Amino acid sequence: EVQLVESGGGLVQPGGSLRLSCAASRFTFSSFGMNWVRQAPGKGLEWVSYIGTSTHFIYYAESVKGRFTVSRDNAKNSLDLQMNSLRDEDTAVYYCARVGDLWVGGSSYYGMDVWGQGTTVIVSS
Amino acid sequence: DIQMTQSPSSLSASVGDRVTITCRASQSISNYITWFQQKPGKVPNLLIYAASSLQSGVPSRFSASGSGTDFTLTISSLQPEDYATYYCHQTHSIPWTFGQGTRLEIK
Repeated sequence: EVQLVESGGGLVQPGGSLRLSCAASRFTFSSFGMNWVRQAPGKGLEWVSYIGTSTHFIYYAESVKGRFTVSRDNAKNSLDLQMNSLRDEDTAVYYCARVGDLWVGGSSYYGMDVWGQGTTVIVSS
Repeated sequence: DIQMTQSPSSLSASVGDRVTITCRASQSISNYITWFQQKPGKVPNLLIYAASSLQSGVPSRFSASGSGTDFTLTISSLQPEDYATYYCHQTHSIPWTFGQGTRLEIK
């Protein structure tokens, strides 16, 4: 079964850093873009970052730009999110999600078709 | 940024009911919209992509339509396992954005 497993969450003080990882298995990781999506307690989903199959295409939400850095190692089937200068409002469950190319007729559409179970980040003093 | 506005924010319905959730984009997104279902404590699950295409494994009672700025997700006959929160999500432009969610509850 296709699988994504996140790790690295925890409790960190405001201003601190944390590195999340996402291990992919049972699919060709290098062929898929990947997203990080987060969900604050009791709140909705928020897109955080996208990385393409190579590192030429990387995007961030404005709320994390300049503080978070996404990277991937296709040889190790892994995705990382380095989070610096953490704030209270970064407290959330962080999910990695595969960005599938889903075809309708001759057109390709993005869809997050596989998600990890999430890792919890708590920013608090 | 493209704002995605769902309505209603919450909805009570009975098993067997037909339920419709709407999502409006602040500007045209063509058909670059997906829909997710999230049950409490669970991971989001992709239901629909390209506005109306059913993801593999999703029951046929789910359907969706729309293009441009106005979209709908319909459950034709509500089942007990459908009680969840539903999110629309646009993939037309970065930053990708979600609707605020529609919580579907048992009446």
